[in-house]
Amino acid sequence: DAGVIQSPRHEVTEMGQEVTLRCKPISGHDYLFWYRQTMMRGLELLIYFNNNVPIDDSGMPEDRFSAKMPNASFSTLKIQPSEPRDSAVYFCASSAEAYGYTFGSGTRLTVV
Amino acid sequence: GIQVEQSPPDLILQEGANSTLRCNFSDSVNNLQWFHQNPWGQLINLFYIPSGTKQNGRLSATTVATERYSLLYISSSQTTDSGVYFCAVELRTGNQFYFGTGTSLTVIP
Repeated sequence: DAGVIQSPRHEVTEMGQEVTLRCKPISGHDYLFWYRQTMMRGLELLIYFNNNVPIDDSGMPEDRFSAKMPNASFSTLKIQPSEPRDSAVYFCASSAEAYGYTFGSGTRLTVV
Repeated sequence: GIQVEQSPPDLILQEGANSTLRCNFSDSVNNLQWFHQNPWGQLINLFYIPSGTKQNGRLSATTVATERYSLLYISSSQTTDSGVYFCAVELRTGNQFYFGTGTSLTVIP
């Protein structure tokens, strides 16, 4: 198993641009999570899905953030328009009952 | 919401030393995991341990769910053990894991 795959690994963009982060969960995992990590706030849950359906998006900072999971093998997190304060490492994780979380390698986003 | 507290916040060890990291949580939990975030930022799953004791090489973990704590033991520490160790708990009512603030470990040669 290749694990949870995230792309890109690094993204540098200018303020105001649209950013799309991608995640492929582990096959058979029915939960998918998007986290953001910063030095100031640590790991924050943004949104999670169960069987492709969003369950809790209360952690999404504002309307500039949106997430989709069109099928069991793909999810996106989009920021439009991006701002410098969005700079962080964004992690995707997937899980299945009684198996816990497996994290992807993360996307380091820098908005200048 | 649930509180997940880890101690100590920072730890510096000489290579070869042993250590114990603690995770306390304020509510009943369904599951608990320990993660290691290495200096490159990767989050590695160490243990999925809702209760009992597990061992993996030099690492072991014990969760006492009735008393709401878990311990991570690192024996004969190596420089590659450096990084941040996170405890994360899942409440009985949902599948979201709540993370502690972590223990930052530095192992010096």
